[in-house]
Parts: sequence; structure tokens; C-alpha cells
Amino acid sequence: DQQVKQNSPSLSVQEGRISILNCDYTNSMFDYFLWYKKYPAEGPTFLISISSIKDKNEDGRFTVFLNKSAKHLSLHIVPSQPGDSAVYFCAASPFQGAQKLVFGQGTRLTINP
Amino acid sequence: DVKVTQSSRYLVKRTGEKVFLECVQDMDHENMFWYRQDPGLGLRLIYFSYDVKMKEKGDIPEGYSVSREKKERFSLILESASTNQTSMYLCASSLPMGLYGNQPQHFGDGTRLSIL
Repeated sequence: DQQVKQNSPSLSVQEGRISILNCDYTNSMFDYFLWYKKYPAEGPTFLISISSIKDKNEDGRFTVFLNKSAKHLSLHIVPSQPGDSAVYFCAASPFQGAQKLVFGQGTRLTINP
Repeated sequence: DVKVTQSSRYLVKRTGEKVFLECVQDMDHENMFWYRQDPGLGLRLIYFSYDVKMKEKGDIPEGYSVSREKKERFSLILESASTNQTSMYLCASSLPMGLYGNQPQHFGDGTRLSIL
């Protein structure tokens, strides 16, 4: 049972445009959401997070939006740059001690010049 | 910056061998985690530990065990390696939520393990 889903395995965007990556979840106990970026042969790097008390969090070119009623979050990257080409994972955690993360399957983002 | 170091980047072992994967973090984090990453499945949690000598099963613990004798070190053990354990293994650490609020996990670069 996939509790966190990224339905798009890949996404291709032109440099300078907006990249929008989507993620859906099913468990209403999740209250902390994260995006990680992963290059080949490296571990995932934390990008941005949002807690359920907010609906938006911004950090430079990266903005995460949370729609709790729809159980949906999205990551917006504006403007997209070639270095953004990577696999992006969304992850979710319930409100409890060790904050176990549940990951989506990942979306491969390719930024074209 | 948080540094999570996994002892091997690549490892090749044979079916039936006992395999040890080591992970060390330098930020005094209480929580440590082991995941495996497989194509189309994302990262799946194998085991985690929230304190020395404490461990809890994740979503796919079968065929694995862990050891945490020191705060900075978390070992994953494949008791008798099988070919379906060929995968990328990722270690992570984090601060405890209770003291610091929501905390991201920080990952090592992974160990690509092949079981022949």
C-alpha cells in the first residue's frame, strides 16, 4: 500500500520556466512533509519542508505548497536551472518521536537548455 | 554541515554470506535510519534507532538486523545474503523531534550492494 505517491516518473522542463512536481498521500496522520533531491551516485539531499500548520513554505527558488483537504503537496522551482536536473522524492512523517519518513517513488526532472 | 559516512560505496558479496554495512554520523544525532532504494519503489525503511542500543523495525525488516553500540554508529547486518537484497542502501540521521521540533533526515551517499 503506497501511502505516498508521485504519479509522474519523469518531467521535462525548459530552462528558465517553472517546474512543478506533485505528490499525493493517503495517511491523514502525516503532518510533516519534505522534498529531497538526489543526483546519481549521491545520497538524497534535503531541499525544503512544510508542517501541516502551514500551506506554503518558500526558500529561494523553491516553494512547497500543501493542500491538506486534498492530501496533496507540490514543489515549484522558479526559474528552473540545468543543475536542478535530478530525481526528486517527496516524503511524509507522522507526528511521533523518531519521525519515520515514508517516501514516494521519485520523479526524474530534466531541465533542457 | 552534517556528515553521514557509509563505509563502502560499492560491495559485492555471495549468497549466504553475512554482510555488514557501517554508517557513522558526526553531529551527535539521536536518530539513525537504514533504507534501501529500488527503482520505482523509492526509499523504504528497514530499521531505525532513536538511542544507543535501541532499535525498531521499519517497513521491510525481514532478512536484516541492526546494531547500535555507540551513538555515532549504526550497522546494518544481512544475516544470510540473498540475491533479492541486491540494492542501494542508504543511512540517515536526525535530531529528535521532541527537543527541536520537526527535523529533516540527513543522508549518506549510499552503498550499492550486489549479491551474486
